[in-house]
Amino acid sequence: KQEVTQIPAALSVPEGENLVLNCSFTDSAIYNLQWFRQDPGKGLTSLLLIQSSQREQTSGRLNASLDKSSGRSTLYIAASQPGDSATYLCAVGGSEKLVFGKGTKLTVNP
Amino acid sequence: KAGVTQTPRYLIKTRGQQVTLSCSPISGHRSVSWYQQTPGQGLQFLFEYFSETQRNKGNFPGRFSGRQFSNSRSEMNVSTLELGDSALYLCASSLSPGLTEGYTFGSGTRLTVV
Repeated sequence: KQEVTQIPAALSVPEGENLVLNCSFTDSAIYNLQWFRQDPGKGLTSLLLIQSSQREQTSGRLNASLDKSSGRSTLYIAASQPGDSATYLCAVGGSEKLVFGKGTKLTVNP
Repeated sequence: KAGVTQTPRYLIKTRGQQVTLSCSPISGHRSVSWYQQTPGQGLQFLFEYFSETQRNKGNFPGRFSGRQFSNSRSEMNVSTLELGDSALYLCASSLSPGLTEGYTFGSGTRLTVV
């Protein structure tokens, strides 16, 4: 059974700081991994999708890496802004469904 | 292009009642999945439909059911509502099952059972 863990559960940083969010999973037989952002009371916004054959994906100030062998993914956010404040969710895709971590709640202070 | 549309956005129901939630996927997407999000359990998979057939089902009681129509729109139904069913219900669509293209989520339906 796939289990996904995200550390830390919460993170507070000053504006402008670079930061890393971590995601680990127990079963390396994945199709791909997707990072989402969720604002309070809202749905999920897809940030980055990494296929199992890829090592990283980049979009603007975001960079996500994937190491299947160690069961880890990281989301790097450069030059953080107050608008980046949200909960970030990692989801691992297998043959049947997405398995989500509990998320990291990020607060970027002006 | 239009995103994933979920209706209604908010619902308040009484224990014992039943409820139907609707999800319209992105045009051309044939796979629809449903997830329940609660503060304690996080996001949990309910079921997935593809071409009007249920492909997979999560570990939820039979009170939770769903269906998909020929236009790919999907509905989920919860009967005999319990207080613990209060949650954000999220629908996701993709071109086909699996994560080859990733999933796009709707804004969700917030269900409150009183």
